Amino acid sequence: QKEVEQDPGPLSVPEGAIVSLNCTYSNSAFQYFMWYRQYSRKGPELLMYTYSSGNKEDGRFTAQVDKSSKYISLFIRDSQPSDSATYLCAMSRGGADGLTFGKGTHLIIQP
Amino acid sequence: DGGITQSPKYLFRKEGQNVTLSCEQNLNHDAMYWYRQDPGQGLRLIYYSQIVNDFQKGDIAEGYSVSREKKESFPLTVTSAQKNPTAFYLCASSIMAGATDTQYFGPGTRLTVL
Repeated sequence: QKEVEQDPGPLSVPEGAIVSLNCTYSNSAFQYFMWYRQYSRKGPELLMYTYSSGNKEDGRFTAQVDKSSKYISLFIRDSQPSDSATYLCAMSRGGADGLTFGKGTHLIIQP
Repeated sequence: DGGITQSPKYLFRKEGQNVTLSCEQNLNHDAMYWYRQDPGQGLRLIYYSQIVNDFQKGDIAEGYSVSREKKESFPLTVTSAQKNPTAFYLCASSIMAGATDTQYFGPGTRLTVL
């Protein structure tokens, strides 16, 4: 079992829809959770950062962490064509171990 | 402007040659990282450095080498021993290794072996 599982997609939705992106993980020691957005041929950019369980909202984006289920989600409201990108989840135990990444979900927002 | 720069953006190499990818940051971050990204593989850690003059191997260090002589710079050399070097290479940095571990990425270098 891989440490972090993420459906690669592609996930295609119409403009304006609510998008749900998810990752599951196996290591219960993870306590820092991040979502990155990566446009084609560019470096990933940090979208959301969450510590432990709970929700965090930033504009159209909401990150949700359920540590009891080892499941994290990113919701995008009122999706736009400019949201079309690959979304990577990442997580860490803290300390010097660094981040463990999911493989990314390719999202397509249809105009 | 603070950020991470990588050069060149595209790099072509003949088989048997060593090449060095540049990574510079002016964020005053202590920790720096190199990742390799292949289609369908996600990001895989090659090397990381928490302080100057110190670095550790990541998951796929074979065929690569690094140095950390300055806080701002963390160059990666892809040696001829790397069997399949064609990939997208990403450099990242974080304030320190520990605490939040939030990493910030550069724009990447696409290496193609001819």
